[in-house]
Amino acid sequence: NAGVTQTPKFQVLKTGQSMTLQCAQDMNHEYMSWYRQDPGMGLRLIHYSVGAGITDQGEVPNGYNVSRSTTEDFPLRLLSAAPSQTSVYFCASSYWSGTTQETQYFGPGTRLLVL
Amino acid sequence: AQKITQTQPGMFVQEKEAVTLDCTYDTSDPSYGLFWYKQPSSGEMIFLIYQGSYDQQNATEGRYSLNFQKARKSANLVISASQLGDSAMYFCAMREAFYNQGGKLIFGQGTELSVKP
Repeated sequence: NAGVTQTPKFQVLKTGQSMTLQCAQDMNHEYMSWYRQDPGMGLRLIHYSVGAGITDQGEVPNGYNVSRSTTEDFPLRLLSAAPSQTSVYFCASSYWSGTTQETQYFGPGTRLLVL
Repeated sequence: AQKITQTQPGMFVQEKEAVTLDCTYDTSDPSYGLFWYKQPSSGEMIFLIYQGSYDQQNATEGRYSLNFQKARKSANLVISASQLGDSAMYFCAMREAFYNQGGKLIFGQGTELSVKP
C-alpha cells in the first residue's frame, strides 16, 4: 500500500493563478479531508468527504473547491490563488473499523507559496 | 470557542526521562475521539495514539500512553524514556460525531518538545 499520496510536493503560484492539489489513497477509506497548516499553528480543516459524491465544508473553505468522484481521489482546487493561501496542505483519510480503534492517515503534505 | 487547548508552547526533557504533554478539550458531544500526532522537522504527521470517549482504560502504544480524565476533559500524552528522536512538535486533536462529520479533526496549536542528551 502506498497509503495517502499528495502531488506536487512543492508549488509556487502567482496571485490569481489556479491550480489543483492532488490526493489519492489506496486503502479504500470512506472518509477524506483537506487541512492547511500555517506557521506555528495546528491544522485547520478546509473540506471533507464522507464518500464518493459527498463533500462538505470545514472551518476555512473560502477560496477552495473539492469534488470526490471516486473513493480513491480527493483533489483540492484553488480557484484564484492569494498570498493568504500560502501554507502547507495535508490530505488525510480514515475509516471506522467497528472497534474502538480509529486511525487517521495523513499524506506527506504540499508546500504552497503564492507570490 | 477553542475546543482543543495545549498550554505548553515548548517543553524540554532530559533523555531517558518521562514527559507529559498537556491537552484539554471542550465538547458537548458524548461520542468523541482524541488523537495525538507527532510532527518532526521533516513535516509529516505521524499518528501516535487514540482514545475513544467510551473507552474504559487509558490507551497505550509502546512508550506512549494517554492519561484520559474525562470529568476534567483532559487527554495528556505521556512519553516514557524519552529519546533524541522524540524531539518534534506534538499535536492533540479531537473528532466529534464521527458518522455525521466524516472523521474530521480539530487540532490544538501544538507543543514543541526538545529532548536533551
